[in-house]
Amino acid sequence: DTEVTQTPKHLVMGMTNKKSLKCEQHMGHRAMYWYKQKAKKPPELMFVYSYEKLSINESVPSRFSPECPNSSLLNLHLHALQPEDSALYLCASSQDYGGDLPKLFFGSGTQLSVL
Amino acid sequence: QKEVEQDPGPLSVPEGAIVSLNCTYSNSAFQYFMWYRQYSRKGPELLMYTYSSGNKEDGRFTAQVDKSSKYISLFIRDSQPSDSATYLCAMGAAGNKLTFGGGTRVLVKP
Repeated sequence: DTEVTQTPKHLVMGMTNKKSLKCEQHMGHRAMYWYKQKAKKPPELMFVYSYEKLSINESVPSRFSPECPNSSLLNLHLHALQPEDSALYLCASSQDYGGDLPKLFFGSGTQLSVL
Repeated sequence: QKEVEQDPGPLSVPEGAIVSLNCTYSNSAFQYFMWYRQYSRKGPELLMYTYSSGNKEDGRFTAQVDKSSKYISLFIRDSQPSDSATYLCAMGAAGNKLTFGGGTRVLVKP
């Protein structure tokens, strides 16, 4: 099983709303990632969790708040977003981070629209 | 200059043709190379993974790496309309984040 499950698949929110994106994997992977992808662009790394600890924050604005409750779950809390934050948000996982030759497996993403 | 260059396409081929995709890179530290397929508004799906120069085959897909030229390729034989998607190359070095190419959009016409 190489599945990374993301919910919801689609989300429309206003600029004053608070919402959360969820991600789950059961491959025993110890690294989990959030990526943001705009149309016709490659994914851009936002955050990396390794062994449930935040390892990398790519200077992401504080209106995005990640959380890793356990090794299988990853959340992204959204608050006071801007219309330019509309994008496909992708979760990914790999065996580990910082080791040799990781393979990243992506979820199907959450298509977010901010009105 | 970007670390990884990939022609955006679109690359249009008739059904049954060979699709040839490639990426060039400038960072000689890259050790492993991947190809992802991405359908519209879906997450990238890992197709091929390799960490050595040479060829790797998996069904209709062949990945080729030439580290001396800093050039990687993906070939899709007997292409099908269902192969129509964007193909992303990605590469990295141990302990570092992945670097993606910009993606090539492929259209396979029946």
